[in-house]
Amino acid sequence: DADVTQTPRNRITKTGKRIMLECSQTKGHDRMYWYRQDPGLGLQLIYYSFDVKDINKGEISDGYSVSRQAQAKFSLSLESAIPNQTALYFCATSGGTGYQETQYFGPGTRLLVL
Amino acid sequence: GEDVEQSLFLSVREGDSSVINCTYTDSSSTYLYWYKQEPGAGLQLLTYIFSNMDMKQDQRLTVLLNKKDKHLSLRIADTQTGDSAIYFCAERRGNTPLVFGKGTRLSVIA
Repeated sequence: DADVTQTPRNRITKTGKRIMLECSQTKGHDRMYWYRQDPGLGLQLIYYSFDVKDINKGEISDGYSVSRQAQAKFSLSLESAIPNQTALYFCATSGGTGYQETQYFGPGTRLLVL
Repeated sequence: GEDVEQSLFLSVREGDSSVINCTYTDSSSTYLYWYKQEPGAGLQLLTYIFSNMDMKQDQRLTVLLNKKDKHLSLRIADTQTGDSAIYFCAERRGNTPLVFGKGTRLSVIA
């Protein structure tokens, strides 16, 4: 079974709709992250959480919100989706110290906003 | 600047060596990483190097680190078609999320 899972894997929605992307992990990590990937732009950090009570904005948080429901769950919401939020979204987790605190990624959610 | 820099594309012939280069920004970065993203998949950790090392070898992969120039490279020996992917360089700056480059798309020609 995958350590980091994301649902849904693919989503098509319309402009103005609210949607939620979910991430769950079984790695027991405290830290979780949401990134978006656009072709040629690499990965951009949206939000991150170092524990259940900690939420931090990343470089492109406008238009997004998050909820850390438990150590294992971190959700990303688009309150009112717009076409330029069409992208591939990745959740990641990290824990431990030193090199062990590398980030482990989920398989991604492909979102299309019409 | 603030960005981790990588060239966007690299094309090599099967059996040749590939060298992917990266310039990072923070001389105090403790760990530097290479991730691989295959088509339709998430990022997978390929290898990492601690900042007090100059070189790390792992089977066909060799990582070289030049701290003076803040330059990191990944060499893939005997490149195969299965190595075709996007390769991301990332640096750890203190207690913050990893900072990624934009990725280098490696194409292997049979």
